[in-house]
Amino acid sequence: NAGVMQNPRHLVRRRGQEARLRCSPMKGHSHVYWYRQLPEEGLKFMVYLQKENIIDESGMPKERFSAEFPKEGPSILRIQQVVRGDSAAYFCASSPLGLAGGSYNEQFFGPGTRLTVL
Amino acid sequence: AQRVTQPEKLLSVFKGAPVELKCNYSYSGSPELFWYVQYSRQRLQLLLRHISRESIKGFTADLNKGETSFHLKKPFAQEEDSAMYYCALRPGSARQLTFGSGTQLTVLP
Repeated sequence: NAGVMQNPRHLVRRRGQEARLRCSPMKGHSHVYWYRQLPEEGLKFMVYLQKENIIDESGMPKERFSAEFPKEGPSILRIQQVVRGDSAAYFCASSPLGLAGGSYNEQFFGPGTRLTVL
Repeated sequence: AQRVTQPEKLLSVFKGAPVELKCNYSYSGSPELFWYVQYSRQRLQLLLRHISRESIKGFTADLNKGETSFHLKKPFAQEEDSAMYYCALRPGSARQLTFGSGTQLTVLP
């Protein structure tokens, strides 16, 4: 099992361009989480998805950001019209199950995508 | 809203010395607490969780609800323990984790 895969590892965009970040969960995992890490800060939750469904997007900025996890293919985090403040490391995690009776299923993290906006 | 505080950005200890990485949280309900570790050039991985009450790589952490703390401890630090450590909280029935800002631990020879 190759683990959670993210690509690209590094992405440079100019202000106003679009950024697409991809996440392939571990084999057998159907739940994906996106986190953002700004410099000198911890990881902050953005969105939680299952296949074809957004379960919780309470951490997503209201504008320019969207996420999807189609039936086939990786999860995509899309940032439209990027600004300098979007520069950060974006981490994806996957887990085999969502909550069941309040129990926790470990989230396995990818290596992250470092987005730089010029 | 919940919050996790790690007051030390950097912590250095000598090999063989005890180490304690501090973590305090604020949450009105019953949280689950975790420690994640990121070694150099590796991805973030779970170190331990308070529910399991395990000792992993010699590390332990006890949830103190009175002090709202979940400090990570190891009696004798090793050089291979040098890494970034993140305390994280899962509130109630939520799925997502709330992370602290991390502590970079350096164990000196």
